[in-house]
Amino acid sequence: GENVEQHPSTLSVQEGDSAVIKCTYSDSASNYFPWYKQELGKRPQLIIDIRSNVGEKKDQRIAVTLNKTAKHFSLHITETQPEDSAVYFCAAAYNTNAGKSTFGDGTTLTVKP
Amino acid sequence: DAGVIQSPRHEVTEMGQEVTLRCKPISGHNSLFWYRQTMMRGLELLIYFNNNVPIDDSGMPEDRFSAKMPNASFSTLKIQPSEPRDSAVYFCASTSGHLPNEQFFGPGTRLTVL
Repeated sequence: GENVEQHPSTLSVQEGDSAVIKCTYSDSASNYFPWYKQELGKRPQLIIDIRSNVGEKKDQRIAVTLNKTAKHFSLHITETQPEDSAVYFCAAAYNTNAGKSTFGDGTTLTVKP
Repeated sequence: DAGVIQSPRHEVTEMGQEVTLRCKPISGHNSLFWYRQTMMRGLELLIYFNNNVPIDDSGMPEDRFSAKMPNASFSTLKIQPSEPRDSAVYFCASTSGHLPNEQFFGPGTRLTVL
């Protein structure tokens, strides 16, 4: 089955700096890569996703890149703000209607004001 | 739509007791997932259903855990008997079956087994 590795497990940055979280996956059939943000005490929520036919996607201060050949994808957050502090999960899925995603172990991002 | 609904939100019970967690997926969604989240193990997929049929229960830790989905709008996760190591936050999530298959999580049930 699919295996997703996520690094780093913790990341601390100064407000205004950029943050990068990296994930690798094992199953070349995976073709959907969502990122979820989980604030303390809350549920995970989708913040951005990318499909395998796209190399990069951007939404305001967040962007995701995908390298299918190397089987890795990354989340980039620019101009970080304290409210970006949360746990971020990457996931990989084979996009069938069953909708199962395999999640990474999460990255705890702390943005220091 | 109210989103995915879970009950109870908090459950405190004693070791050996039966615990039943409930989930109502978003109307029209055809897949439902049960996850367990702990600091030590992160977010673990326990079981998922597609069109009310269990597809993969390989994440269920042991026979004390069971899950059912009797209809498209209701699922339960049962632990019998419960043990202190079952203490965790249990999330239910659902997807629409329409690409790209974002998972919508419920608010979770925080279970404490004393």
